[in-house]
Amino acid sequence: NSKVIQTPRYLVKGQGQKAKMRCIPEKGHPVVFWYQQNKNNEFKFLINFQNQEVLQQIDMTEKRFSAECPSNSPCSLEIQSSEAGDSALYLCASSSEGLSNERLFFGHGTKLSVL
Amino acid sequence: QQKVQQSPESLIVPEGGMASLNCTSSDRNVDYFWWYRQHSGKSPKMLMSIFSNGEKEEGRFTVHLNKASLHTSLHIRDSQPSDSALYLCAAKRSNTNKVVFGTGTRLQVLP
Repeated sequence: NSKVIQTPRYLVKGQGQKAKMRCIPEKGHPVVFWYQQNKNNEFKFLINFQNQEVLQQIDMTEKRFSAECPSNSPCSLEIQSSEAGDSALYLCASSSEGLSNERLFFGHGTKLSVL
Repeated sequence: QQKVQQSPESLIVPEGGMASLNCTSSDRNVDYFWWYRQHSGKSPKMLMSIFSNGEKEEGRFTVHLNKASLHTSLHIRDSQPSDSALYLCAAKRSNTNKVVFGTGTRLQVLP
């Protein structure tokens, strides 16, 4: 069973609506990643955090997404205005160390459908 | 932009057969490679990692790495129907936090 907890499992939104998903990383893991996996299995890196700070993010995330990892609260990823192309599985992963060769532990994902 | 290319896109092998999956990074500065397995409807889980040239074996699974060609391969011997899944290759430089994934090879093992 995954120790990275993502909610909700499924999310249905209309175009233009906000879509928010949450992630609780594995206990003791300061590094959190968000990926988007589309229907073609393409894994797109979106953003990562170490503790509460953003380490890296792609342009799309900076422009259209709002993401944070506050202390003592779940991390969150929110699409400000959903588009049809945002329909995908959003996977959160955590690791114990960012620059090392530590593996990623994934949650079950939030499957977003934008109608 | 760093890319991780995997081949083949899909693979069908009979039960008991050998499955061979390939992965190449376009980034000459990659230091670490992993293989993850994602069963349908489940989250990816790390299967094997390899960080130096050569070969590593764990049970029925063997992974090879050639750092000069930035190529890694995963071989599954005595394939089982339960091995049917999406196999994802991931790569990372040691001086960044970003892990880049390929689009995977979908393996189907027929009983």
